[in-house]
Amino acid sequence: KQEVTQIPAALSVPEGENLVLNCSFTDSAIYNLQWFRQDPGKGLTSLLLIQSSQREQTSGRLNASLDKSSGRSTLYIAASQPGDSATYLCAVRDNTGKLIFGQGTTLQVKP
Amino acid sequence: GAGVSQSPSNKVTEKGKDVELRCDPISGHTALYWYRQRLGQGLEFLIYFQGNSAPDKSGLPSDRFSAERTGESVSTLTIQRTQQEDSAVYLCASSLQGYSPLHFGNGTRLTVT
Repeated sequence: KQEVTQIPAALSVPEGENLVLNCSFTDSAIYNLQWFRQDPGKGLTSLLLIQSSQREQTSGRLNASLDKSSGRSTLYIAASQPGDSATYLCAVRDNTGKLIFGQGTTLQVKP
Repeated sequence: GAGVSQSPSNKVTEKGKDVELRCDPISGHTALYWYRQRLGQGLEFLIYFQGNSAPDKSGLPSDRFSAERTGESVSTLTIQRTQQEDSAVYLCASSLQGYSPLHFGNGTRLTVT
């Protein structure tokens, strides 16, 4: 059974810092991996999707990497801003299409 | 529509009552997912529809939970004889195909009193 773990559960940083969020999964037989952002009381917003054959994806200040063989992904946020404060969720897609989520990392960026 | 639409946005019901939650996916999206998110918890998979294939119901927590989808359109999640532990936000998502990025609705917040 696929299990997805995110570390740390919570993170607080001063504005301007670069930071890394970690995601690990137990079964490397994944189709793709997707990072989401969730703001309080809201749904999820897709940030980046990495196919299993890819190593990384970039969007603006965000960079996500994937090491499928070791079951790890990282989300790198450069020059963090208070508006980046949210919960970040990692999810892996198995070969049936089902998406399994981690518990999330709650980020607070202090001005 | 522009995005995934869920209704109602909030639902308060008495224990023992049945509730129906609705999801309108993005037009043309063949895959539709339901997730449950309890307060302070991660997303718990409930059910997944892909085209005309039999749905993956492996996440439904009990036989009180069921879901239907009409073709590649609207889906309803029904919870019978609601219990207090059913209180959560129920999130729906759709994707163009089974392996495309998911797009989520804003969820239905269910409170069972």
